[in-house]
Amino acid sequence: DAGVIQSPRHEVTEMGQEVTLRCKPISGHNSLFWYRQTMMRGLELLIYFNNNVPIDDSGMPEDRFSAKMPNASFSTLKIQPSEPRDSAVYFCASRHRDETGGQPQHFGDGTRLSIL
Amino acid sequence: GNSVTQMEGPVTLSEEAFLTINCTYTATGYPSLFWYVQYPGEGLQLLLKATKADDKGSNKGFEATYRKETTSFHLEKGSVQVSDSAVYFCALSEGTSGTYKYIFGTGTRLKVLA
Repeated sequence: DAGVIQSPRHEVTEMGQEVTLRCKPISGHNSLFWYRQTMMRGLELLIYFNNNVPIDDSGMPEDRFSAKMPNASFSTLKIQPSEPRDSAVYFCASRHRDETGGQPQHFGDGTRLSIL
Repeated sequence: GNSVTQMEGPVTLSEEAFLTINCTYTATGYPSLFWYVQYPGEGLQLLLKATKADDKGSNKGFEATYRKETTSFHLEKGSVQVSDSAVYFCALSEGTSGTYKYIFGTGTRLKVLA
């Protein structure tokens, strides 16, 4: 089975540019999560969706960040305008519907973002 | 709120040594507990999980037991290999039906020397 697919794997861009990260979850999963990982702050949950609806976006750093999930097989995380402090590895994860809290999340390989 | 505390790393061991990585949690109720592993340049992969007290999760020689008395979920392996070098994350699941999300620990880096 195909896992969670993220693109691009690496992105280098200049400050002020718009950045769009993409994620294709595992087919049949109904929850999708966006994380950011840095050495200083570790792994942070930015936003998650259930059935394409955002449930909790309290982790989104500021208005420069936005995320969408137009259908069950695609999500984007957009940063506009980008800043050097946004440099990090961004992960997408998906999961089956979880009634009891025991379902595992499945992670993509991440997008390594560098803002110059 | 709920939280997960892991031992500081890095942990450096020789091949075939015994491994313990400590994980304790603070939570209301009895959340499901997980260990994930992250190899360089990759995403996190589920290593094992336990969904109720006294459950033991196991996979690839790793084990962890859900201890509600000590609110702990320590990861152990009897004989580590160089290929086990990675970062290990402990996590708990919080929320209600349909809204569960993870609380992750800060991760513990393991280095195994040949």
